[in-house]
Amino acid sequence: AIRITQSPSSLSASTGDRVTITCRASQGISSYLAWYQQKPGKAPKLLIYAASTLQSGVPSRFSGSGSGTDFTLTISCLQSEDFATYYCQQYYSYPLFGPGTKVDIK
Amino acid sequence: EVQLVESGGGLVQPGGSLRLSCAASGFTFSSYWMSWVRQAPGKGLEWVANIKQDGSEKYYVDSVKGRFTISRDNAKNSLYLQMNSLRAEDTAVYYCARDGSPGVTTLTFDIWGQGTMVTVSS
Repeated sequence: AIRITQSPSSLSASTGDRVTITCRASQGISSYLAWYQQKPGKAPKLLIYAASTLQSGVPSRFSGSGSGTDFTLTISCLQSEDFATYYCQQYYSYPLFGPGTKVDIK
Repeated sequence: EVQLVESGGGLVQPGGSLRLSCAASGFTFSSYWMSWVRQAPGKGLEWVANIKQDGSEKYYVDSVKGRFTISRDNAKNSLYLQMNSLRAEDTAVYYCARDGSPGVTTLTFDIWGQGTMVTVSS
């Protein structure tokens, strides 16, 4: 079975910072990877699919890259509304989410 | 407005049953695969099950196979999750989620409901 890890599990950052979150799959998943943002008490929101395709309506400060086993989500200039937990999800096989990365205020 | 609204959650004893519903509006429900995704308190996301547009294909995560049944009624724009033999570890917020594209499933989720809480406890 495919395993998904994310790093770091949490990070503290300031508005305006560039933030990078990594997602790693235990075996190659091509580009079958999505990223979601979740705020406390809210449903997740799809940000990126196919590793690097921005979902409609998502700000361009979000970007994704990678293929195979290693992927990154980058927020180029962190805004106050970006403080949240971020999950990657592989869909090469049945949907499987990573454990999440919490981004909070430094 | 595209919307998914879940209902049916609550407190149930171990071994009990519960049926969740999800009402869809604002899009052509019958064109999309649909899924249930859950999140235990303070934990991450877990996909539970999905169903094809016409109900002819259904898939489940191993931990719920034989206990949960996903179904849909396209005439009522509704998705359901029948949960039997519930366990403490099924305690979670259950989200209804739309597949990312009509037609062939993408196994990504672009529209989510607000979730309904299921608590399994004696």
